[in-house]
Amino acid sequence: AQTVTQSQPEMSVQEAETVTLSCTYDTSESDYYLFWYKQPPSRQMILVIRQEAYKQQNATENRFSVNFQKAAKSFSLKISDSQLGDAAMYFCAYRGDSNYQLIWGAGTKLIIKP
Amino acid sequence: DTGVSQDPRHKITKRGQNVTFRCDPISEHNRLYWYRQTLGQGPEFLTYFQNEAQLEKSRLLSDRFSAERPKGSFSTLEIQRTEQGDSAMYLCASSPEGGTEAFFGQGTRLTVV
Repeated sequence: AQTVTQSQPEMSVQEAETVTLSCTYDTSESDYYLFWYKQPPSRQMILVIRQEAYKQQNATENRFSVNFQKAAKSFSLKISDSQLGDAAMYFCAYRGDSNYQLIWGAGTKLIIKP
Repeated sequence: DTGVSQDPRHKITKRGQNVTFRCDPISEHNRLYWYRQTLGQGPEFLTYFQNEAQLEKSRLLSDRFSAERPKGSFSTLEIQRTEQGDSAMYLCASSPEGGTEAFFGQGTRLTVV
């Protein structure tokens, strides 16, 4: 069975600095998708960035980028120029190519210090 | 608002009562998902519909849980004989045919007292 592990329950970063959130996963599938979702307090889950496993190039969305290491089964999220609005729970999620359910990590609470 | 809509946002019920939640997906999204999220945890998959067909059910979905999606539009999730362990946030999401991104609603927070 696939699993997703986020080993950092909480991270804090100074505003305008860079922070990296870690995620590892376990799967025997070769084709899959990985996602980072953001969940602000009392707000809905929002997709931050996605990565297709067959793509070697790391995904980038503005200040958000990933370091996808397929062999190591690692999928970290880097947030550059952190802003107060980035404060939220961040969840790493996995989806197999032939399966539509998302498998989630336990989340990392990101605190932004002004 | 054209996002995923869930109703109610909050529900407090007494143990043993039945509750029903509604989810309206984004128009023309044929896939609909239900997840449960307990405090401090990531969501857990409950069930998945493609149009009106329920294609997957998690083992978490005991006999007290039932979900429907008549006509492939909105969906309902019913919990019968609620227990304190059912207290959680129930999240609904939808995605289009061929899409990889799931779009989430704001959730229904259930408290069983």
